[in-house]
Amino acid sequence: DVKVTQSSRYLVKRTGEKVFLECVQDMDHENMFWYRQDPGLGLRLIYFSYDVKMKEKGDIPEGYSVSREKKERFSLILESASTNQTSMYLCASSLPGPLQMETQYFGPGTRLLVL
Amino acid sequence: AQSVTQPDIHITVSEGASLELRCNYSYGATPYLFWYVQSPGQGLQLLLKYFSGDTLVQGIKGFEAEFKRSQSSFNLRKPSVHWSDAAEYFCAVGAVGGADGLTFGKGTHLIIQP
Repeated sequence: DVKVTQSSRYLVKRTGEKVFLECVQDMDHENMFWYRQDPGLGLRLIYFSYDVKMKEKGDIPEGYSVSREKKERFSLILESASTNQTSMYLCASSLPGPLQMETQYFGPGTRLLVL
Repeated sequence: AQSVTQPDIHITVSEGASLELRCNYSYGATPYLFWYVQSPGQGLQLLLKYFSGDTLVQGIKGFEAEFKRSQSSFNLRKPSVHWSDAAEYFCAVGAVGGADGLTFGKGTHLIIQP
């Protein structure tokens, strides 16, 4: 069964802290994604990766960075957390190729509160 | 750039009644289209997807959606809703080729009345 896990369901951090959100998938997927979800805005893509050590900016990368050292793990980093980064963060993964393309499997989300 | 519009922020339906959630997209070529559902406090679950072929696609939990190219729409339907269908529903469009992320609509919150 497909499984995407995120290291924390809830996280509270202070302004200026460095924050790491971890995502692990056990499906040997090449592609991994980070989204943030805000009420009334839906999901917005922050970064994605289509291979180890590869990364691409999504629609809202400012204030974030990512790391993909291993195929199964994709980390989102908030270098200096700010209150406007309070949000729900969702990780997803998918296989490449036309038949599986863009069928993304999502983790349960991490709800981050920055004080 | 691709975009997705879900015109209804909230929809209230009586249990047992039929449901249609609207989705319109903007994309330069043949889109890959998806419907996801998110129950409270949960991640997103794929309901169904359209890549090509038959324009009426069947999904899980009794949902179906119809791709209408002429209307740039991909509306989600269910003939009879259950209280457990109360959730947030997201329509999304994917880019052709490559591994780009999905573009999501802002979601429709479905409320089921007893």
